[in-house]
Amino acid sequence: QKEVEQNSGPLSVPEGAIASLNCTYSDRGSQSFFWYRQYSGKSPELIMSIYSNGDKEDGRFTAQLNKASQYVSLLIRDSQPSDSATYLCAVNTYGSSNTGKLIFGQGTTLQVKP
Amino acid sequence: KAGVTQTPRYLIKTRGQQVTLSCSPISGHRSVSWYQQTPGQGLQFLFEYFSETQRNKGNFPGRFSGRQFSNSRSEMNVSTLELGDSALYLCASSLDGTTGIWEQYFGPGTRLTVT
Repeated sequence: QKEVEQNSGPLSVPEGAIASLNCTYSDRGSQSFFWYRQYSGKSPELIMSIYSNGDKEDGRFTAQLNKASQYVSLLIRDSQPSDSATYLCAVNTYGSSNTGKLIFGQGTTLQVKP
Repeated sequence: KAGVTQTPRYLIKTRGQQVTLSCSPISGHRSVSWYQQTPGQGLQFLFEYFSETQRNKGNFPGRFSGRQFSNSRSEMNVSTLELGDSALYLCASSLDGTTGIWEQYFGPGTRLTVT
């Protein structure tokens, strides 16, 4: 079982719709969760972080975390063609040594069609 | 505030050679992590440095090494290059290693091609 799993997609949504991206993780000790956006040929850009169960909203983005189900999601409201990219879910699995090691999913490719 | 910078941006090397990549973190950030990104394996953690000490290491052979300087700048070295080392090497910095806040910000990466 992969440590962080995402549906590779592509996920295709029409402009203005809500895009829903999902991620599951295997380590119950995980404490920090991140969503990165990566455009083709570019490096990952941090768009959301979430540490507690529930929802966290930032503009058109909402991250949702459910630690009991080991599930984290990203909702993008009013999707725009410029949102077309690969979205990477990352989980911090640091242990007692309190080190920062992000484990990434394979990414979900989002296509927003005008 | 300036972002994470990496040099060089592109490199072409021959099998058997070695290479050194450099990373300057965001001002004030003390933790630097390195990742390798390939189409087949995705983003994989190489190692993380904090206060000039390697605190964690991924599952890569000993040919991959790194270090961090007192100003938090970091370098990674790959010796005896293999074709499979061709990848995008990404450096990410974060504020510190004590608060449990681990937002990592990536640099533009170094594209390494081994021929």
